Amino acid sequence: AQKITQTQPGMFVQEKEAVTLDCTYDTSDQSYGLFWYKQPSSGEMIFLIYQGSYDEQNATEGRYSLNFQKARKSANLVISASQLGDSAMYFCAMREDHTGANSKLTFGKGITLSVRP
Amino acid sequence: NAGVMQNPRHLVRRRGQEARLRCSPMKGHSHVYWYRQLPEEGLKFMVYLQKENIIDESGMPKERFSAEFPKEGPSILRIQQVVRGDSAAYFCASSPSSAGTNEKLFFGSGTQLSVL
Repeated sequence: AQKITQTQPGMFVQEKEAVTLDCTYDTSDQSYGLFWYKQPSSGEMIFLIYQGSYDEQNATEGRYSLNFQKARKSANLVISASQLGDSAMYFCAMREDHTGANSKLTFGKGITLSVRP
Repeated sequence: NAGVMQNPRHLVRRRGQEARLRCSPMKGHSHVYWYRQLPEEGLKFMVYLQKENIIDESGMPKERFSAEFPKEGPSILRIQQVVRGDSAAYFCASSPSSAGTNEKLFFGSGTQLSVL
C-alpha cells in the first residue's frame, strides 16, 4: 500500500482565495511526523509545515495550516489568501517512528496548484 | 549560513559514461539523504548516509549506483554506465545530528541528469 496518497488532479484557485490540498497516509505506527513541501518551477524543495501525530493542535505557519484528522489518516494543507507565487507542486511526506530518528521521509506524488489572477 | 549545496546543477552524459553528483550538507549537519525525482513524480528515496556510514540504502538500485559520505568532503552519488532511464533530478537533503523524528530535511536545488 502507498504510504502517502495525493490523488487530486491539478488544482486551480483564484488569487486571494483559500485552497485545500489533500493528503492521506498509511502507517501502523503511533508516533509519526507529517510534512508538506513546496516545489516551484525552479525546482528547489521548500519546507512549509510539520504536524506530529501526538500534537493536539493543528499546525499553522503563516498562511499555511494543516487540517489533521488522525482517525481518517488525513493531513490536508490549507493555504489561505492565495498568491500568484503559490503556484507550484506541493508534496506531502511522512516519517514513521519505527524507522527511527533521522530516518527518511516518504513522499507522495504531489499536487500541482495554479493560482489565477 | 549556506544551505545544502549540490553540483553540478545540470549534468549531461552519454550512455555508458559515469555520472558523479556532489552534495555538501548544511553546516552542522551530519546526515545526508539522496532522492530521485522523475518528471511529474514525487521524490523517491535512494540512500541515507552519515559520515563514513551508509545507514539505509533500501531505495538504491543494486547495480551501477553507489554513494559515499567521507569524513572530509561532500557526499557523492555515483552512477556507472548510465542509461537513458537514469535521466532524472537527483536531490540531496541534510539534517542535524541531534534531530528527532520531527526534524525536517533541508534540500539542495538538485542535479538534473540527462543521459543522451
